[in-house]
Amino acid sequence: GQQLNQSPQSMFIQEGEDVSMNCTSSSIFNTWLWYKQDPGEGPVLLIALYKAGELTSNGRLTAQFGITRKDSFLNISASIPSDVGIYFCAGQYTGANSKLTFGKGITLSVRP
Amino acid sequence: ETGVTQSPTHLIKTRGQQVTLRCSSQSGHNTVSWYQQALGQGPQFIFQYYREEENGRGNFPPRFSGLQFPNYSSELNVNALELDDSALYLCASTEGGTAKNIQYFGAGTRLSVL
Repeated sequence: GQQLNQSPQSMFIQEGEDVSMNCTSSSIFNTWLWYKQDPGEGPVLLIALYKAGELTSNGRLTAQFGITRKDSFLNISASIPSDVGIYFCAGQYTGANSKLTFGKGITLSVRP
Repeated sequence: ETGVTQSPTHLIKTRGQQVTLRCSSQSGHNTVSWYQQALGQGPQFIFQYYREEENGRGNFPPRFSGLQFPNYSSELNVNALELDDSALYLCASTEGGTAKNIQYFGAGTRLSVL
């Protein structure tokens, strides 16, 4: 099935640093979402974006919905050890069944 | 804590067997979606149930089937298991009928097919 493009597969940063991740698609979505998944858990929603160009923050996290509706980015500022995990972007059509299409995820490691 | 519970947490089956996975949705949510997450991949949409009817299906064969009950809990059934069916199976519930169809995920069932 279709997957969104997230790269690199892994990122290693120092505690306190900022990090940006982006996600691209060949298709247009009308909602973009960012989830975080910890080992042994399901994905947890971090931020949802509903309008092209929208910039939304959730604490140290900021995400933007690209104006082409084919991309999104997530920024984490002043990283801390509990930011470690896998970050997934997901696109959604809020139409018939609102299924989510996910990227492969980026594994973030934070060095103390 | 999303209020979405899945059982069992882990399961081991052999090729050719059948399996049933269960999901209890968050209170007030009438829509349940199922996803398959292979190791190192993002979740892939299997199908969705809304008010006990299938409401969309991904690229999965008919041996993947489901049910939703009047209390909106759901089951995923997989027949004739294959080795490639080994994965984490995730259920997500949504308060259907709202403009913002946020999906809240359970912790998943880890299925191993030997």
